[in-house]
Amino acid sequence: DGGITQSPKYLFRKEGQNVTLSCEQNLNHDAMYWYRQDPGQGLRLIYYSQIVNDFQKGDIAEGYSVSREKKESFPLTVTSAQKNPTAFYLCASSMRQMNTEAFFGQGTRLTVV
Amino acid sequence: QKEVEQNSGPLSVPEGAIASLNCTYSDRGSQSFFWYRQYSGKSPELIMFIYSNGDKEDGRFTAQLNKASQYVSLLIRDSQPSDSATYLCAAFSGGYNKLIFGAGTRLAVHP
Repeated sequence: DGGITQSPKYLFRKEGQNVTLSCEQNLNHDAMYWYRQDPGQGLRLIYYSQIVNDFQKGDIAEGYSVSREKKESFPLTVTSAQKNPTAFYLCASSMRQMNTEAFFGQGTRLTVV
Repeated sequence: QKEVEQNSGPLSVPEGAIASLNCTYSDRGSQSFFWYRQYSGKSPELIMFIYSNGDKEDGRFTAQLNKASQYVSLLIRDSQPSDSATYLCAAFSGGYNKLIFGAGTRLAVHP
């Protein structure tokens, strides 16, 4: 089945640790996105990538890093510089053309302990 | 000014009524628009997309786009309690080449 897979579903991070969230898609999509959602809030764009080996900062990129070495994969690292990382993280992918919809993974819920 | 704006709600409608959800956007370069439904604790799922002025119907859902007014809406006919969720409006910004979401409108359909 084609789809977009995020792992893990739940993640706990200690203060000062870096953690990496995985996002893999087998839809042959060019574009991939990372969003953050806080309780009762909308989606805020962290990073996005329209093509392999290229990515752009979104609205809240500070404290996060990404890579796009393969078309299928767009991992997100939450660094220790991100002071309030507890949130629901959503990865999405779409065809590069503008008139196509984005599909979401099931999300990763990150909690700082 | 937020790039995509929605009333946060909650919008409360009785079962069987029409729910009307609205969205405005600021980037005139936006060409395609999407409505997603998100249940609590789950990821968003696509309901409809629209990129031409006018109406687009799919079952109980109708999306409406008015580019001159920079306005997008979603109508849900014969609302059911299972429609209770947060509805997210998204616009693909041609100028910035990225997908931008509004904060979402929470819909509550009561029996």
